[in-house]
Amino acid sequence: EVELVQSGGGLVQPGGSLRLSCAASGFNFRFYWMSWVRQAPGKGLEWVANIKEDGSEKYYVDSVKGRFTISRDNAENSLYLQMNSLRVDDTATYYCARDKASMYYMDVWGKGTTVTVS
Amino acid sequence: QSVLTQPPSVSGAPGQRVTISCTGTSSNIGADYDVHWYEQLPGTAPKLLIYGNTNRPSGVPDRFSGSKSGTSASLAITGLQAEDEGDYYCQSYDSSLNGYVFGPGTKVTVL
Repeated sequence: EVELVQSGGGLVQPGGSLRLSCAASGFNFRFYWMSWVRQAPGKGLEWVANIKEDGSEKYYVDSVKGRFTISRDNAENSLYLQMNSLRVDDTATYYCARDKASMYYMDVWGKGTTVTVS
Repeated sequence: QSVLTQPPSVSGAPGQRVTISCTGTSSNIGADYDVHWYEQLPGTAPKLLIYGNTNRPSGVPDRFSGSKSGTSASLAITGLQAEDEGDYYCQSYDSSLNGYVFGPGTKVTVL
């Protein structure tokens, strides 16, 4: 079964840091782009970042550039999001998702992890 | 505000047909990038519903269909069921922003 299991959310003060993790199983992780998408409380979805299969290309939404870093470990089938200089408006549920970059969509989603900046 | 535009809400009685529009611009839908649709039921993660404008992933009922024309796309739900209540998001790629963009979401209510 294709699955993305997320961990690493929590409560952090403004200006603090947090690292999210996403463990993939059931598919060949190294052959897929991966994305992070977030959803602020009561709000819609916002794409945050994605990373190429080998980690050589990374793209970010403007609001997180310079503060967030997406990375992956193909040997561990894991995706990460390092979040620094966190702001109150980064408060959201963060989803990792398998990214079909050739057609620009996400076909498998994790259950989400909550980040609260307060 | 979102780059893509959707109505905030639509509603229908069980068995009826509802449609959700998604309007973009010349840098996303109008630039011939595909539109994709996601369903988010209350308290759950988003789920891919339609990809590549018209395609349904395995397991998605054929009550759900998508279309695209010009700078707009639509999701239709026929034979509306109580379990269809939730939020529906369109998504595309934007060449000006160099990233994926979502609509604000449409809340579907079954009367």
